[in-house]
Amino acid sequence: DAGVIQSPRHEVTEMGQEVTLRCKPISGHDYLFWYRQTMMRGLELLIYFNNNVPIDDSGMPEDRFSAKMPNASFSTLKIQPSEPRDSAVYFCASSLGTAPGEQYFGPGTRLTVT
Amino acid sequence: QQPVQSPQAVILREGEDAVINCSSSKALYSVHWYRQKHGEAPVFLMILLKGGEQKGHDKISASFNEKKQQSSLYLTASQLSYSGTYFCGTDLYNDYKLSFGAGTTVTVRA
Repeated sequence: DAGVIQSPRHEVTEMGQEVTLRCKPISGHDYLFWYRQTMMRGLELLIYFNNNVPIDDSGMPEDRFSAKMPNASFSTLKIQPSEPRDSAVYFCASSLGTAPGEQYFGPGTRLTVT
Repeated sequence: QQPVQSPQAVILREGEDAVINCSSSKALYSVHWYRQKHGEAPVFLMILLKGGEQKGHDKISASFNEKKQQSSLYLTASQLSYSGTYFCGTDLYNDYKLSFGAGTTVTVRA
């Protein structure tokens, strides 16, 4: 079985540009989570979805961040406009509805904003 | 509120044991343990629900002391493959909003 797929794996962009990160969860998984990992702040939950519906977005740092899940097999995290402090590794994770705590992480997208 | 992990780092020789602690100032519903190797994604190890349940995964086991709001991860007879950073994630309300600790870096040497 394919795991969680994220693209791109690396993204370098200039401050002010729009960035879109993509995630394909494991087929059949009901939950999808977006995390951000930095040395300073560690691993932080940004937002999570259940059956394509956003359940909690209290971790989204500010209005520049938005996330969507138009269907069960695709989600995006968008940053507009990007800032240098957004530089981090962004992980997407998914889990089954019967075991939502057992999360399977994708390989991550390393974002660098210059 | 982020849980507190200790120690920050530990170095072991193959075959040695180690304990990693995760403490919360708030009452917990569950504790989740993950391991992350350098440059890779976190990998799920186990979940412990309130009730003091102890679980095991190969020679890695964990316990949850509900009274102390503390979980401990036990690495027994460590192997080289156990190297990595171990994170605990805490869930207060069974809503899957995990708060992760800063991590404990484990280095196992031959």
